Amino acid sequence: QKEVEQNSGPLSVPEGAIASLNCTYSDRVSQSFFWYRQYSGKSPELIMSIYSNGDKEDGRFTAQLNKASQYVSLLIRDSQPSDSATYLCAVTGTYKYIFGTGTRLKVLA
Amino acid sequence: EAQVTQNPRYLITVTGKKLTVTCSQNMNHEYMSWYRQDPGLGLRQIYYSMNVEVTDKGDVPEGYKVSRKEKRNFPLILESPSPNQTSLYFCASSPTAGTATYEQYFGPGTRLTVT
Repeated sequence: QKEVEQNSGPLSVPEGAIASLNCTYSDRVSQSFFWYRQYSGKSPELIMSIYSNGDKEDGRFTAQLNKASQYVSLLIRDSQPSDSATYLCAVTGTYKYIFGTGTRLKVLA
Repeated sequence: EAQVTQNPRYLITVTGKKLTVTCSQNMNHEYMSWYRQDPGLGLRQIYYSMNVEVTDKGDVPEGYKVSRKEKRNFPLILESPSPNQTSLYFCASSPTAGTATYEQYFGPGTRLTVT
């Protein structure tokens, strides 16, 4: 069974701090990696996508991918209370998507 | 506005009464998919479609049917709903290039209760 593992949290960080969210996956042939943010009762919205090893930055968000270690992470700089949500890691190889169960982030004002 | 729409948004039904949840996207995406989300279990893929008339099972297809007769629509059919299908359902679409799929865009969700 192909899996994507995330710490369920909650991860609590003070406002203005860096939040670090981690994800590991089991399928070595995975090609594409995504981070989604989901507020309670709402649909997931894409934060970042990453396809090759290394870092990818977009505003306050940085995604990091290490295929050798089967590890993908998301850093949120200058965390804001509005960042409080559940963050879902998703992995896809050919057509099938596997989601982690999500990490709940709480940013304390 | 580029979007994925689902109907109905909320549905309460009884065991065994056939129902269809519709999904439509206006982004000309080849790939569409259905998920269910349950507490503690996360998002699980039910079925997906790579293009018109091409569908395949996800991780939890039992009790569900799909069809893809047009590129924009991908309905989810529960022919004999049971209480264990009570869940929050999301439809999503994605562009593709060859066998690679990219970021998905989600509909607003359908909350289904089967009594």
